[in-house]
This record gives sequence, C-alpha cells and structure tokens, in this order.
Amino acid sequence: AQSVTQLGSHVSVSEGALVLLRCNYSSSVPPYLFWYVQYPNQGLQLLLKYTSAATLVKGINGFEAEFKKSETSFHLTKPSAHMSDAAEYFCAVSDRVGYGGSQGNLIFGKGTKLSVKP
Amino acid sequence: DGGITQSPKYLFRKEGQNVTLSCEQNLNHDAMYWYRQDPGQGLRLIYYSQIVNDFQKGDIAEGYSVSREKKESFPLTVTSAQKNPTAFYLCASSIGGSGSIQYFGAGTRLSVL
Repeated sequence: AQSVTQLGSHVSVSEGALVLLRCNYSSSVPPYLFWYVQYPNQGLQLLLKYTSAATLVKGINGFEAEFKKSETSFHLTKPSAHMSDAAEYFCAVSDRVGYGGSQGNLIFGKGTKLSVKP
Repeated sequence: DGGITQSPKYLFRKEGQNVTLSCEQNLNHDAMYWYRQDPGQGLRLIYYSQIVNDFQKGDIAEGYSVSREKKESFPLTVTSAQKNPTAFYLCASSIGGSGSIQYFGAGTRLSVL
C-alpha cells in the first residue's frame, strides 16, 4: 500500500533562514503529490501540487518543491523563512490509478511542525 | 464565496450519546471526505463519498456513520460505539478522480464530557 514519510515531526529555523521539509513516498509509479499547510485550529490549505508536468513546482507564499523520482522524494523548500510560516505542513499522495471508488483519495504523512525564531 | 462550512466549531459529547457533525459545500463538488486528526498522527480517512447516495468506509470507519442524500451535504455521526472520539474532525471536497485537489473546511473539535 502507498505510504508517505515526513522526516522530522518538528523543524525549527531562524527568520530569514532556509526552510527544508522532507517528504518521501513509497510507490514505484510516481503518484500525484501535494503539500498542504495547516495553521492552528484551522483546516488545510493547498500549497502546491505535482502532476508530472515539471519536476520543480512553485506554490503559494514563496514555497516550492522538487520531485526526484530516483529518491522517491518531494521535499518542500523556501529560501527565507518568515514568522508567518510557522504552521504544520503535510505531504500527501494520490495514486494515479484507484480501485473501488478510491480514485482521488489522499494518503497523508504525519506532518511537520515548523517553528520560526525571531 | 464558495467553500466548505463545518459546524459546530466545538462540540461536547456525553457518555453514550451520538453526535452529528455538519459539512456543507457550495463548490459543486462530487466527492466529499471526512478525516480525523490526532496530534502527531496526520489525517486518517473515516468515510468518503464519490457521488450522491453512495459512500465507502475509509481506514477508521468503526464507530462512525455518514449519509450523502444531497450533493452539498455529508454529515458525520459519531456514535456511542466510538470509545475515543476526542479529536479534530475535518471535512473536505473535490471534483473527484485521481489527482484532484481536496479543499478543506475549518474543522470541528469534539471533546468528551
């Protein structure tokens, strides 16, 4: 079964520093890949989505992610962290082929909480 | 504004009581989903529905029930059989199909009295 691993449940960076949040998937066939952000006591908001059109995907709020098939990874980066980036980030995958009505279902990683120090 | 509305924002359940969480969307999406979120656990799928009058169990459906009588609405009932209901519940919708983006509501936090 498809799975998603986010390395590091907590990441702390200083304001202005590089943000790197790691995500690895398990499928041998590259799936659709997503990054979502969740602010405290709120729902999830889409940051970006990988569809195979380009390996480097640009998202909202200055975030981007690079798909690397050889490493089965889809790490999220931002060159310069801002205080407002403090939130929890979730990587998710969706298989390109689903069964029994499961097309479109997402499998989420356990999340990484990002703290930004002034 | 188009979106997904979950209500109530906070809900308290007594022992032996069933409670229903509301989820309404005006995005004209075919597919709707319910997730449970616990700290450090990510999101786990409870039930999903790809079309009106049809729904399937997700990974943790025991102790929960749903209905999908209207395209816009997908209420979740937490039954008394769910022994550990305290969690943050999120509803989502999408156009359906592989790779479709899911849009989320603001969530309902359920606690046990």
